[in-house]
Amino acid sequence: EDQVTQSPEALRLQEGESSSLNCSYTVSGLRGLFWYRQDPGKGPEFLFTLYSAGEEKEKERLKATLTKKESFLHITAPKPEDSATYLCAVRGYSGAGSYQLTFGKGTKLSVIP
Amino acid sequence: AAGVIQSPRHLIKEKRETATLKCYPIPRHDTVYWYQQGPGQDPQFLISFYEKMQSDKGSIPDRFSAQQFSDYHSELNMSSLELGDSALYFCASSLLAGPTSTDTQYFGPGTRLTVL
Repeated sequence: EDQVTQSPEALRLQEGESSSLNCSYTVSGLRGLFWYRQDPGKGPEFLFTLYSAGEEKEKERLKATLTKKESFLHITAPKPEDSATYLCAVRGYSGAGSYQLTFGKGTKLSVIP
Repeated sequence: AAGVIQSPRHLIKEKRETATLKCYPIPRHDTVYWYQQGPGQDPQFLISFYEKMQSDKGSIPDRFSAQQFSDYHSELNMSSLELGDSALYFCASSLLAGPTSTDTQYFGPGTRLTVL
């Protein structure tokens, strides 16, 4: 069974204070690791997909990295509008043709002006 | 760019009633997924359809059923509703076939179901 653990559960940062969110995973063969941002009461918004260890992707103040056991979402000089819950999800070899995602419980990020 | 559309956005039902949730995927997407997110919980996969055929099944109760129609929209039918069914229900879509295929799932805004 695929498992995803995210830490910390909650993170408060001052505006401009860089930090990283962690996503540890256990899968029977990783077929993809996905980062989403979710605002309260809204659907997850796609950020990044990573497929193999060593891969990195960037978008504005966000950078996602992947190792064989975990992924990090680095936030550089965050702004208050970056406040949201960040979800990590994996797609493993849970069955032929399966594309279901297993999500972590998320990290709730608050950026204080 | 067009996104996933879900309707209704909010739904209030009594126990033992039925509910139907609708999902319209991003145009030209061939796969639809349904997820349930309880209060303070992570999204849990329910079921998916590829080219109108059920492609995967997760923790979907027997009281729930779903289908994908010829125009690729999908409906999630929920019967004998229970208090514990109160949650956000998300639909996501992706394009799995063709030269521009991607396994990235794009989520809709969700339907908030409240069972009283």
